[in-house]
Amino acid sequence: GAVVSQHPSWVICKSGTSVKIECRSLDFQATTMFWYRQFPKQSLMLMATSNEGSKATYEQGVEKDKFLINHASLTLSTLTVTSAHPEDSSFYICSASGGALMGTEAFFGQGTRLTVV
Amino acid sequence: LAKTTQPISMDSYEGQEVNITCSHNNIATNDYITWYQQFPSQGPRFIIQGYKTKVTNEVASLFIPADRKSSTLSLPRVSLSDTAVYYCLVVRGNQGGKLIFGQGTELSVKP
Repeated sequence: GAVVSQHPSWVICKSGTSVKIECRSLDFQATTMFWYRQFPKQSLMLMATSNEGSKATYEQGVEKDKFLINHASLTLSTLTVTSAHPEDSSFYICSASGGALMGTEAFFGQGTRLTVV
Repeated sequence: LAKTTQPISMDSYEGQEVNITCSHNNIATNDYITWYQQFPSQGPRFIIQGYKTKVTNEVASLFIPADRKSSTLSLPRVSLSDTAVYYCLVVRGNQGGKLIFGQGTELSVKP
């Protein structure tokens, strides 16, 4: 099956700094990538949708200036958490879709655990 | 997209068959029913998808009645490693991978 890889798997950063998370589709071209956030014991919450070469579409309540998303190629999307604070500590997960050729299935990365201290 | 409702948690024992039912009363004609599995600190993993009647793969079966307002994920002979959260999702055919997750069902398999 299609493989999506996230990096890093976990990261600890100081409050006020920025952190970048990468999401790569390893064996297919991802026309669309999605970013989710998951707090402990809760479900995944969709943060934004990014299409290669265009601006991301953010879900209601998600600050676009805080969570910068770049989808510069068909195999890479990045999420940068800017000026991170402890409340941004969460599990961030990306998924990728190959468009109509690959149907409705989304392929998920393994997730990134962010801890802001 | 149709909202889904499923039990918050279920308990089972090894070797038993587990059936998790999901309701999606407002499902539309071009919606599919999809189930994902998630282990702690991992991304979700696709299990099965169907539109109507019955779908079976090497992992599970999915039963969908004619009105499509509910669906049942069936896991045959579960093992301890099937302990996970199972999400039922309604996916629109033209959404291209955009998934809206509900609460999920936390399945605990005991020895």
